Amino acid sequence: NVLTQSPGTLSLSPGERATLSCRASQSVSNNFLAWYQQKLGQAPRLLIYTASSRATGIPDRFSGSGSGTDFTLTISRLEPEDFAVYYCQQYGSSPWTFGQGTKVEIK
Amino acid sequence: EVQVVASGGGLVQPGESLRLSCAAFGFSVGSHYMSWVRQAPGKGLEWLSVISTLGRTYYEDSVRGRFTISRDNSKNTLYLQMDSLRADDTAVYYCSAYIMGTPYWGQGTLVTVSP
Repeated sequence: NVLTQSPGTLSLSPGERATLSCRASQSVSNNFLAWYQQKLGQAPRLLIYTASSRATGIPDRFSGSGSGTDFTLTISRLEPEDFAVYYCQQYGSSPWTFGQGTKVEIK
Repeated sequence: EVQVVASGGGLVQPGESLRLSCAAFGFSVGSHYMSWVRQAPGKGLEWLSVISTLGRTYYEDSVRGRFTISRDNSKNTLYLQMDSLRADDTAVYYCSAYIMGTPYWGQGTLVTVSP
C-alpha cells in the first residue's frame, strides 16, 4: 500500500495553518494510519494514531482526519517548534509502509 | 509505563552479521504486534519487518532472506538478526510496539556497515 504525501515541502509562517495530505493506493485497514513529527537528530514522535486519535501530550492544535485512502494532518496555528518533517504510516496491512515525508519550513 | 529500548548497534564490515535487541517494559512482546523500522542518513523512514501476536512474520522486499525478526517471551525482548550486511544497511534502527492500535517507539540504535 503505497502512501503518497503532499506537498513535499510546505513554506509557512508562524501562526498560519498547515494542511498535510497522505493518500494511500489502497484502503487502509481499520484506519490504522499514524502521523509522526521528526526533527533533525531525533527519533520520530507520534502525533496521531488510528487516523484521528491524538497521542498523549500532543497539543490540540494538531488534528488528524480522513478514512479509506485519504488522510489529512492539520496544524491549526504553527508554533516555532512545529517546523519539522512529518511522516504518515499505515499499519493496517502488511507490508506496512511510510509516506516519503512533508517538510514544513519557515517562510 | 510502556517503553521499548533498542540496543546492539555498532560498526560491522560488509558481509558480517549483527543482532539487534529491543527490550520491552510495561507490556508483553508476545501479546502485541512488534516491528522494526530504519532510517538511513538523510533519508526517510523505511519499514522493515513485523511479527504478529500469532508469530507470523512479514518483511520488506529488500531485507527478506537476510533479516529475521523473532521474540523471546521469557525475556520480553524482540530481536532482529541481520545477515549479509551491506553498506546500504547503514541506518538508525528503531523498534516499535503496537498496542490496541497505538504505536510506541524507542530511541533507536545506529548500525554502520563499512570496510
